[in-house]
Amino acid sequence: AQSVTQLGSHVSVSEGALVLLRCNYSSSVPPYLFWYVQYPNQGLQLLLKYTSAATLVKGINGFEAEFKKSETSFHLTKPSAHMSDAAEYFCAYSKTSYDKVIFGPGTSLSVIP
Amino acid sequence: DGGITQSPKYLFRKEGQNVTLSCEQNLNHDAMYWYRQDPGQGLRLIYYSQIVNDFQKGDIAEGYSVSREKKESFPLTVTSAQKNPTAFYLCASNTLGSTNTGELFFGEGSRLTVL
Repeated sequence: AQSVTQLGSHVSVSEGALVLLRCNYSSSVPPYLFWYVQYPNQGLQLLLKYTSAATLVKGINGFEAEFKKSETSFHLTKPSAHMSDAAEYFCAYSKTSYDKVIFGPGTSLSVIP
Repeated sequence: DGGITQSPKYLFRKEGQNVTLSCEQNLNHDAMYWYRQDPGQGLRLIYYSQIVNDFQKGDIAEGYSVSREKKESFPLTVTSAQKNPTAFYLCASNTLGSTNTGELFFGEGSRLTVL
């Protein structure tokens, strides 16, 4: 069965430091991969998506992610953390654009001033 | 502005009562979804619908019911059979047409608390 794992349920970084949120998926077919962000008591908003085009995907708010097939990973990075980046981040996977989306458990990001 | 509207945002329920959460979208999306969110568990799919008058069970459908009488509306009823209904409920939608990239569009959520 397909699944998504996110290493670290909580990550803390200092303002201005590198943000690295890890995501691994298990699938036997090339996936559709997504990162969503959720602020408290709000819905999810798409940060970026991989749909079999370029392996390095740029998203909103300075985030990017790299698809590595050999490692079955899709880690999210941002060079310099901002206070406004504090939120919950979800990695998600789908076999095709028509299949149901499977979400990872989420990583809560805290940014320390 | 186009989007997904969920109501109410906060809802309190006594044990044994059924409650209905509303989800309306004006994005002309074909498919609509209900997810349940609990701390540390990500999002779990309750029900989804890809066409009017048809819907499918997700991973945790027990104790829930839905209807899809109109394309833009997909209400979720949390019944008294749901053993642990306190959670944050999210409605989402997407198109199934040629522009579909798998991206889901979410509402702001409804927080249900059972007293």
